[in-house]
Amino acid sequence: GAVVSQHPSWVICKSGTSVKIECRSLDFQATTMFWYRQFPKQSLMLMATSNEGSKATYEQGVEKDKFLINHASLTLSTLTVTSAHPEDSSFYICSARSRLGGYNEQFFGPGTRLTVL
Amino acid sequence: QQQVKQSPQSLIVQKGGISIINCAYENTAFDYFPWYQQFPGKGPALLIAIRPDVSEKKEGRFTISFNKSAKQFSLHIMDSQPGDSATYFCAARPRGNNRLAFGKGNQVVVIP
Repeated sequence: GAVVSQHPSWVICKSGTSVKIECRSLDFQATTMFWYRQFPKQSLMLMATSNEGSKATYEQGVEKDKFLINHASLTLSTLTVTSAHPEDSSFYICSARSRLGGYNEQFFGPGTRLTVL
Repeated sequence: QQQVKQSPQSLIVQKGGISIINCAYENTAFDYFPWYQQFPGKGPALLIAIRPDVSEKKEGRFTISFNKSAKQFSLHIMDSQPGDSATYFCAARPRGNNRLAFGKGNQVVVIP
């Protein structure tokens, strides 16, 4: 149980285009979903937190018009990188919080590698 | 500002040995302490987690030791195997808060 999927697993796009990444909790309902960004050999950087049906809360320094987050249901959240540029190239990871085991544990997706040319 | 400090940065262990990674924190509001394992190109996977009301939790070859007074917790990997070679992140979350604070990560290499 507690599986989180992401699609696509990797994407290459041209500068100036927009890219949408989907995050799904497959076998549980996620009250909260998170989006992280990770650079090579670095820790995870939280970009935003979203609750179903509400606007996302962005971390300081993250442009909300650049990284659009939509938490449409208890099992689906999307991240759209608008007008992507090479500096947006990164590994994007979503996670979902579950009440499984009573710990409110957080489970991560497999990540999406974005390369902007 | 790193809320959770992880050490050592990297670790090389012989197969069958014990890998030990330490984390320290300052925020006494933290009440949930998970460890994640990440392989290259993959997302982190929850390995084991503990709450401060217990001092130790064991799951298979993985054990968390928790020292509330010292504000430290550690991951022990017993009988380390080459397949355990990965990056390990400790994290902590405050009571009533959604955000996990992550350590910088520790690369563990298990040599045959």
